Amino acid sequence: DQQVKQNSPSLSVQEGRISILNCDYTNSMFDYFLWYKKYPAEGPTFLISISSIKDKNEDGRFTVFLNKSAKHLSLHIVPSQPGDSAVYFCAVYPGGTSYGKLTFGQGTILTVHP
Amino acid sequence: EAGVTQFPSHSVIEKGQTVTLRCDPISGHDNLYWYRRVMGKEIKFLLHFVKESKQDESGMPNNRFLAERTGGTYSTLKVQPAELEDSGVYFCASSQVGGYNSPLHFGNGTRLTVT
Repeated sequence: DQQVKQNSPSLSVQEGRISILNCDYTNSMFDYFLWYKKYPAEGPTFLISISSIKDKNEDGRFTVFLNKSAKHLSLHIVPSQPGDSAVYFCAVYPGGTSYGKLTFGQGTILTVHP
Repeated sequence: EAGVTQFPSHSVIEKGQTVTLRCDPISGHDNLYWYRRVMGKEIKFLLHFVKESKQDESGMPNNRFLAERTGGTYSTLKVQPAELEDSGVYFCASSQVGGYNSPLHFGNGTRLTVT
């Protein structure tokens, strides 16, 4: 019973173009969403987050969009750079006081070609 | 500031043996978490400490897993006896406060292989 799904195991993009990573969730009660980036042999690193009261949050080249009616989250990276090549995980907080209990998706491997 | 440190980085043990993983959180972080990623799948929550107290251990797979955080500093996760399905990468994370604006800082993980 996977509550957070990243249906694309991998994505390949040319340098300078847009990367769009997608994430679907099942529970409409989820109220805070995050993206983490992970390089090989390293732990996940926080990238960007969004609250359920917003539909967009931007930080430099990274923008997260939230579509609550569709229970869909996406991460846009513009322009993509080779250093962005990593595994990207979307994650959610279930709400309430479970601040540390993140639920992660399976991850999408992004490869940005020079 | 030093990040979250985990030791060892790799461990290979035989089924039935015992392994102890260690995590040193960022200094001053009261919240410490253990997560696990098995076979390239999603990263799953195991448990959450606030200082030395277990706040939430709902993700612990079974009683072969024992986590401790004596004194509220470093934490250990013991697997005894280890089974094949315990193989995976065990991540530790810490945060200063419990809240949405306090993202988790992860260590580099311990890759456990049970043969």
